[in-house]
Amino acid sequence: QSVLTQPPSVSAAPGQKVTISCSGSSSNIGNNYVSWYQQLPGTAPKLLIYDNNKRPSGIPDRFSGSKSGTSATLGITGLQTGDEADYYCGTWDSSLSGVVFGGGTKLTVL
Amino acid sequence: EVQLVESGGDLVQPGGSLRLSCEGSGFTFSSYSMNWVRQAPGKGLEWLSYIDGSDGTLYYADSVKGRFTISRDNAKNSLYLQMDSLRAEDTAVYYCARGFTVIRGLIMAYWGQGTLVTVSS
Repeated sequence: QSVLTQPPSVSAAPGQKVTISCSGSSSNIGNNYVSWYQQLPGTAPKLLIYDNNKRPSGIPDRFSGSKSGTSATLGITGLQTGDEADYYCGTWDSSLSGVVFGGGTKLTVL
Repeated sequence: EVQLVESGGDLVQPGGSLRLSCEGSGFTFSSYSMNWVRQAPGKGLEWLSYIDGSDGTLYYADSVKGRFTISRDNAKNSLYLQMDSLRAEDTAVYYCARGFTVIRGLIMAYWGQGTLVTVSS
């Protein structure tokens, strides 16, 4: 049971847009920055979004992040088959004094 | 280019111990905070531990507190995870991850390829 709640799976057609939600509480998302990670099959995770909505160098602007209250959202536009991956949200939890991740969301590009 | 290479994964019996290593290159290792994260087969990411690059602050997940110990040797550009009292549920791929910047160590910007630990009799 993860501290942060994500939908197990989402799907959309190539070229479309998809959003992935991440729900937490005041001890984590509500008072801390959120990061998003992409894990392509058989590879290590990769940082996609940090500080709720910032993209590291090299991450295309098709990927976006937002936060409102105790929830965060990852958005991906112009879906490509290469975007098929597991996506994880993560943040600091002040009550646990540790980093917490969501359970992950598997994106399928139909 | 930042590179992180984990090693030390193995098959170990329940109750046994193992030490994982992570060697960093392409950056000033001593300046950056480091993390350990694991992923059980077919499961999600689980953060385990953090060691600060400047003041030595340590954090542990409750699931490993008292059993695992994080440490680093900056002279060897290496991060370690000493794992004791291993259980079957510790079976996972273990990743080391570097902080995004010198002061944002809990944003995991660079990851190694992972090393597999299997706990079984």
